[in-house]
Amino acid sequence: KNEVEQSPQNLTAQEGEFITINCSYSVGISALHWLQQHPGGGIVSLFMLSSGKKKHGRLIATINIQEKHSSLHITASHPRDSAVYICAALQETSGSRLTFGEGTQLTVNP
Amino acid sequence: NAGVTQTPKFRVLKTGQSMTLLCAQDMNHEYMYWYRQDPGMGLRLIHYSVGEGTTAKGEVPDGYNVSRLKKQNFLLGLESAAPSQTSVYFCASSHLKNYGYTFGSGTRLTVV
Repeated sequence: KNEVEQSPQNLTAQEGEFITINCSYSVGISALHWLQQHPGGGIVSLFMLSSGKKKHGRLIATINIQEKHSSLHITASHPRDSAVYICAALQETSGSRLTFGEGTQLTVNP
Repeated sequence: NAGVTQTPKFRVLKTGQSMTLLCAQDMNHEYMYWYRQDPGMGLRLIHYSVGEGTTAKGEVPDGYNVSRLKKQNFLLGLESAAPSQTSVYFCASSHLKNYGYTFGSGTRLTVV
């Protein structure tokens, strides 16, 4: 069992739909990252959170430390949101090591 | 723009050849990391550094060496490339604990 698990692995939506990607982790963490990777592109950090909720534009990230669960929501999805979304747990070990989920491939159709 | 720069972006090696990947950051970050990304496996930590002159092994260090002679640079070396090292390599940096990560744009390496 992976230390960080995401669901679903693949998600297809129609433009305008509300999208949720889930992340569960089994390790002790000090924070959790949500990352975005476009095809053939680099990796961009969307959020880093250790409690509660953060919002940036149409993106919302929440975390429940007790349940070891985080969600990434996209409101009013758009084709340009199509990307791989990666959850990564920041462990409280030397070097601030990140443990990554396998990613969720999101495709938003017009 | 400030950030993490990786060179080269693409490379094809023959089995047994050596090469060095360079990662440079201009944000004065203490921590630097090398990851590899393979289909279906997510990103895995190869080596990391918590400061100039220090390095440590990650999850998959075999076949790789690293050096951090200057704070802004983190080099990843392959002494004798193998097909199993075909992957996309990402460098990242962060400023102390619990600060956001900044990733480079990746190096796509193919070993034939």
